Amino acid sequence: NAGVTQTPKFRVLKTGQSMTLLCAQDMNHEYMYWYRQDPGMGLRLIHYSVGEGTTAKGEVPDGYNVSRLKKQNFLLGLESAAPSQTSVYFCASSSRTVNTEAFFGQGTRLTVV
Amino acid sequence: AQTVTQSQPEMSVQEAETVTLSCTYDTSENNYYLFWYKQPPSRQMILVIRQEAYKQQNATENRFSVNFQKAAKSFSLKISDSQLGDTAMYFCAFMPSRGGSEKLVFGKGTKLTVNP
Repeated sequence: NAGVTQTPKFRVLKTGQSMTLLCAQDMNHEYMYWYRQDPGMGLRLIHYSVGEGTTAKGEVPDGYNVSRLKKQNFLLGLESAAPSQTSVYFCASSSRTVNTEAFFGQGTRLTVV
Repeated sequence: AQTVTQSQPEMSVQEAETVTLSCTYDTSENNYYLFWYKQPPSRQMILVIRQEAYKQQNATENRFSVNFQKAAKSFSLKISDSQLGDTAMYFCAFMPSRGGSEKLVFGKGTKLTVNP
């Protein structure tokens, strides 16, 4: 049982490059979330989705886009990476009906140089 | 917009003693969930305890218990008989239960160190 899997685990980007982070969950969860974690800032919500085909902005959405074409996948895109996007990114998922505990991926450490 | 505030950036406690971590939140919702998550150095996020706002009884999980004060919008975590393995970042989180608005929001965290 894989739970929530994030790809990749580490990445170094040059300023201006683009990339996509993939989050996959095998628990049939309705809700999925993308967070960034920076020292002293906790987990800040970037975007989230309450179901397949739906997305919504969180607290810090600028510079990021997301898509949820399939229920099990939630993609986070950076179109033109900036050093301010250097962070650890976490994906999470939770169920609408069976307990609301959020299950997290292992995180992606992204460095933009 | 919902906000979660943890006013203690760092705390320390001696092994076997009791410590309480504070959390307050701001919302206009009436029905919601509150959580405490633990993040050890491994970076993995682990659910510690969960509280549903409509339940007056405070949640308890072994050595972990909460003091939920809905009117005061307060949700503190008490750790009894602290163990070295409790050393971690602790995050308080809030999620409304109203359909379509299930945005899970976290506080900035409290770094807890348990000393031998």
